[in-house]
Amino acid sequence: QQQVRQSSQSLTVWEGETAILNCSYENSAFDYFPWYQQFPGEGPALLIAIRSVSDKKEDGRFTIFFNKREKNLSLHIKDSQPGDSATYFCAASERNYNQGKLIFGQGTKLSIKP
Amino acid sequence: EAAVTQSPRNKVAVTGGKVTLSCNQTNNHNNMYWYRQDTGHGLRLIHYSYGAGSTEKGDIPDGYKASRPSQENFSLILELATPSQTSVYFCASGDALDEQYFGPGTRLTVL
Repeated sequence: QQQVRQSSQSLTVWEGETAILNCSYENSAFDYFPWYQQFPGEGPALLIAIRSVSDKKEDGRFTIFFNKREKNLSLHIKDSQPGDSATYFCAASERNYNQGKLIFGQGTKLSIKP
Repeated sequence: EAAVTQSPRNKVAVTGGKVTLSCNQTNNHNNMYWYRQDTGHGLRLIHYSYGAGSTEKGDIPDGYKASRPSQENFSLILELATPSQTSVYFCASGDALDEQYFGPGTRLTVL
């Protein structure tokens, strides 16, 4: 049973558009939701994260929108650039209980067309 | 300089053989993790450790062992490798309430 689910395996948008990547989860005890970015041949790297006490987290062109009641969240990438082409993983954990154990979604491969 | 390194970067093994994947971190993090990455499954946790001498089972531990002889080093051991263990393996380090830092990965092929 997939505890963290990303709705698309792949997504293509044009340069300059806003890319929206969706994620949902099942365990209502999850309270920390990082997004990791992975380029081909590299390990994932933390991009942006949100805690369940917030409904929005912004960092430059990247914004997480979080809906606790619906148990879903989305990553918005404004003004998409070709360099944003990568695989994005949504993850979740119970930070104060699981000692940092993360549950990852399947990943969404984002392609930005110039 | 890279804080989490893995060796080897690529490995071809035979079915039934023993494989050891190594990970070294210079972050001085207490926690270390081993994941495998497969298309359609994302990253799945195999084993993790809270410090030297400790290992814990993750979500998919069957067929794998782990060893944490020191703060810096964490190994993943496949005693009897099978083709189903063909995958890309990532090591990560982190503090309990902070981000995880991943290594560059090891591509393992079991023939």
